Order: sequence, then structure tokens, then C-alpha cells
Amino acid sequence: GENVEQHPSTLSVQEGDSAVIKCTYSDSASNYFPWYKQELGKRPQLIIDIRSNVGEKKDQRIAVTLNKTAKHFSLHITETQPEDSAVYFCAASSVSGTYKYIFGTGTRLKVLA
Amino acid sequence: DTAVSQTPKYLVTQMGNDKSIKCEQNLGHDTMYWYKQDSKKFLKIMFSYNNKELIINETVPNRFSPKSPDKAHLNLHINSLELGDSAVYFCASSGRGGASNEQFFGPGTRLTVL
Repeated sequence: GENVEQHPSTLSVQEGDSAVIKCTYSDSASNYFPWYKQELGKRPQLIIDIRSNVGEKKDQRIAVTLNKTAKHFSLHITETQPEDSAVYFCAASSVSGTYKYIFGTGTRLKVLA
Repeated sequence: DTAVSQTPKYLVTQMGNDKSIKCEQNLGHDTMYWYKQDSKKFLKIMFSYNNKELIINETVPNRFSPKSPDKAHLNLHINSLELGDSAVYFCASSGRGGASNEQFFGPGTRLTVL
């Protein structure tokens, strides 16, 4: 069935360093890949997304890369700050049909000051 | 203005009781969802409605019954609550078409079954 694997489950980095979170999806029909950030006790919020017709997208300190052949996509955060500490979820979806998201299992990122 | 709202925010109840959670969105979206987030933070889709029609129904006990009176509202009724139902329940909505199908989440309802 549909599945999204996400690694690592926890990640600690020093402030100013980069953080990378990786996801692999199984459904070859997936063509939309959002990343959500969830702070403690809050709702998940979209931080960046990418469609299958591009290989990379960047928004300030955040970038996402997609390798459709390998069914891999990754989130890159540069110059990390303490406020980047949160749980990050990747997801895979199709822009047609039911718009069902299959979420990864989440990565708890801790940025150490 | 709150885009996706849920009530109540917290719900503490005894095993065996029946309870409801309500969700409303003012974004004009066609599609609404219910997710369950357990203690390990896994986010799992439960149901989705598009224009009041059920389009996603994952493997969820039939004690859970969603109801959509109109496309701006999606409620979740749970019968005979069990300890394992304790979780945070998130409502979300998305539009059809456009540049993306971003899902907007509500603030969540923390359900505790004693």
C-alpha cells in the first residue's frame, strides 16, 4: 500500500548548522510533496512544497529537493535557529482524485543554542 | 479571522461515553479531513469529505462517524469511547484546483479517555 518513510526520527544540530530530513515514498502516482512544521502543542503548518515537475525549490533558509526516479525527497534547513526546533512531517499526495496525504512519521528537530 | 476552527479544544471523558467534535472552515474550501495524531505524533488520515460527500474512509472503527451538514462543516462523532481513542484530532481543509492543494489544519482537539 501507500507508504512514506521519513528519517531520522530525531535530529539535534548546533545553532547555525544545517539540518537535512529525508523521505521516501512508494506510490509512483504521487506528484505533490508538502512539508509541515508542528511546534509543541500547535497545529501542523505548511512550510514548503514541491511538485513533481521540478527538482528543487528554495525559500530563504529552507529548500526541498525531489528525485522522482528514486522516489526520494528531502528538506534542507540552513543556518538553523532555535525557533526551527519542532517536529517536521513530509507527505506525498496526488493533485487529482481525493488529495489524500500520506504523512511520514515525523522528525523531531532540536536546535541547540 | 480563524481559517479552520475546532471545538472543543480539550475533551476529557469516561470510557463508554459518546462525544462529538466540531469543525468549521471559512476558506471556501470544498474538501475537509479528519486526522488522528497519537502519542508518538503519527498523523493518520481518518476521513475526508468533498462537498458533503465522503471520499476517504480509512480503516477506522465504525464507532467513529463523520458528518458534513455543508461543505464548511465536518463533525466527528465517537460512540462508546475507549482508552485507545485518546489522541489529538485535527480537522483540515483544502481547495480543489489552483496552484496547490495545501491542507490547512485546525488547532486540534485533545481527547483524553479515562
